Amino acid sequence: NAGVTQTPKFQVLKTGQSMTLQCAQDMNHNSMYWYRQDPGMGLRLIYYSASEGTTDKGEVPNGYNVSRLNKREFSLRLESAAPSQTSVYFCASSRTGGPVEQYFGPGTRLTVT
Amino acid sequence: QKEVEQNSGPLSVPEGAIASLNCTYSDRGSQSFFWYRQYSGKSPELIMFIYSNGDKEDGRFTAQLNKASQYVSLLIRDSQPSDSATYLCAVNMGGYGGATNKLIFGTGTLLAVQP
Repeated sequence: NAGVTQTPKFQVLKTGQSMTLQCAQDMNHNSMYWYRQDPGMGLRLIYYSASEGTTDKGEVPNGYNVSRLNKREFSLRLESAAPSQTSVYFCASSRTGGPVEQYFGPGTRLTVT
Repeated sequence: QKEVEQNSGPLSVPEGAIASLNCTYSDRGSQSFFWYRQYSGKSPELIMFIYSNGDKEDGRFTAQLNKASQYVSLLIRDSQPSDSATYLCAVNMGGYGGATNKLIFGTGTLLAVQP
């Protein structure tokens, strides 16, 4: 049982390049989330998916797109990376209903030069 | 305006003391509240959650919630150097039992326990 996995762990991009961050969970959770964490800003929600086939914007969605490929996988795409997107990205998952825990992946450290 | 506020610290306490971490939130309709611990370079991990007014204890940790004052705190008794981390307060503003458990996080308080 791996929990929440993310790939890659580290990535360096040049401005304007695109990439997709991958996330998968094996806990049979319905809900999945993408956050970014910047120094002094805490964790901010980019997008979330309440269930397979649905996605919704969070606090900071601009410059990102997501795909809920199936119940297990939720990917985050940067179409044209900008230096402002340099951050640590965390994927998380949870079941739905009640005050439940979000389980976090190990994170992807992205640098855009 | 940040909806969940925490003092960024660092909060420095000696080993064996009680560490008190505080969090205020803006949405009176918030129903559930979470404390996460994050070691440097690692991902957040849940310590505990609370949704009823009063205290909730789990080992050395006690969460306290006061909805009237919109205030939630975390007490760590007998603090250990291994407790040194950033503590994140998170609030579910989607309501109890909502379709998603969308969380709003505070910026975190850095705790340093001195041996």
